[in-house]
Amino acid sequence: QLQVQESGPGLLKPSETLSITCTVSGGSISSRSYYWGWIRQPLGQGLEWIGSFYYSGSTYYNPSLKSRVTISVDTSKNQFSLKLGSVTAADTALYYCARLRNTATAKDGLIDYWGQGTLVTVSS
Amino acid sequence: DIQMTQSPSTLSASVGDRITITCRASQSISSWLAWYQQRPGKAPELLIYKASSLESGVPSTFSGSGSGTEFTLTISSLQPDDFATYYCQQYNSYPWTFGQGTKVEVK
Repeated sequence: QLQVQESGPGLLKPSETLSITCTVSGGSISSRSYYWGWIRQPLGQGLEWIGSFYYSGSTYYNPSLKSRVTISVDTSKNQFSLKLGSVTAADTALYYCARLRNTATAKDGLIDYWGQGTLVTVSS
Repeated sequence: DIQMTQSPSTLSASVGDRITITCRASQSISSWLAWYQQRPGKAPELLIYKASSLESGVPSTFSGSGSGTEFTLTISSLQPDDFATYYCQQYNSYPWTFGQGTKVEVK
């Protein structure tokens, strides 16, 4: 049974760097069948895709966040991480890690499994 | 970016009702559209992919249709568990984008 669990800082001050780790169990982030990624949701608002990666090393970011975002991978721990620099109050949100289905057609944005999310609040 | 627009934003309905939610894309996305359900305090769950394919384990009361720029999600007989917020998402081209959501509430 796949499980994904986010762990994050909870509270950050403006200009700091957000760092969240997703730990995957019951499945491998090196699987050829899936991408893995991050989506966020400001409380009471809609969903925003942040970025995704494939085990081969390909990484894709939302252009709206690309200058501040890095997704890194630790296959030995079956974990991947999100770093978002220079945060502001606008980055306050629930951050989800997720699995995306590899359709082998370059249409790899289908999210078929979501973590429960970790709330990150940016406040001075 | 492809903009996804859902209507209505809120829908009031009763158990047993048939409801339809519409999602429009700002440009053609072929059939690369998914629908998700999000219950309060929970993560979204995949219902429909490729516009009309039902995800495994999802009740057959859910169905999707459409292609190009206009899509619909239909629930044929609303059940108590179905009162939730529904999101469409295009995965035709980066960046993947979502509609703003449709909240289905008790009438």
